[in-house]
Amino acid sequence: DIQMTQSPSTLSASVGDRVIITCRASQSLGNSLAWYQQKPGKAPKPLIYKASTLESGVPLRFIGGGSGTEFTLTISSLLPDDFATYYCQQYNSYPVTFGQGTKLEIK
Amino acid sequence: EVQLVESGGGLVQPGGSLRLSCAASGFTFSEHYMDWVRQAPGQGLEWVGRVRNSHTTEYAASLRGRIIISRDDSENSVSLQMDRLKTEDTAVYYCVRVRGGNTWHLDYWGQGTLVTVSS
Repeated sequence: DIQMTQSPSTLSASVGDRVIITCRASQSLGNSLAWYQQKPGKAPKPLIYKASTLESGVPLRFIGGGSGTEFTLTISSLLPDDFATYYCQQYNSYPVTFGQGTKLEIK
Repeated sequence: EVQLVESGGGLVQPGGSLRLSCAASGFTFSEHYMDWVRQAPGQGLEWVGRVRNSHTTEYAASLRGRIIISRDDSENSVSLQMDRLKTEDTAVYYCVRVRGGNTWHLDYWGQGTLVTVSS
C-alpha cells in the first residue's frame, strides 16, 4: 500500500496568512493526487485533483503543486472560511489511501 | 445537480450485519465508478472499496471478506453489505462518486450515514 504522510498535523495561522501543507507518498504517484477540505460534521469537499487542477468553483487562493512523491497545498491568503481539516489522497494505485489530515486552526 | 443519499445506518451488535444503500441522481450513473469511504469518530478518512461501471470491485484489504459492494444501474444505486461487524467498524460511511475520464479522484460525496457497532 502507498503510505501518505501529511505535515504538519496541526497548523495554527491567522486570517491573511499564507500556509503550506505538505503531503509525501511512499511511492511515486505521478500526478495522481487530490486534496479535500472537511469541516466538522460535513462531508469532504474536493479542492484539487491531478496535483494542481482546481475543482470547479474552488477559489484561486488554493494552489496545488508537486509530483512524484512530494506535493503541497498552498492557501495564499487565509480567509475565515478556510479553517478546516485538509486531506490528501492518492489514486495512482489500489488501495486508494488518504493522508492523516492537517487541521488548520485559527491562531 | 449531483446528489448522493445514503441510508441504512444505525446501531448494530458486534457480529451482526448491515446493508447500506446510496441513491444517486443528477448524472449518468452507469458511467461512473462508485466508492465507499468511512470515517471513525474523530479520525481521518479511510477508503472502503469501489465498484466499477463494469461491476467489478476493489476492497480495502482490512475489510476484504467481510464486505460486498454492488450496484444496480437500473435503480441508480450502490450498496455496501457489511458482515461480522466489529466495534472498530463504527464510523460515518460516505457514498462517493469517482470522476473518471483522465482522473480518478472523488468528486461528489453524500452526506454520510452513521453506523454504530455496540452491544
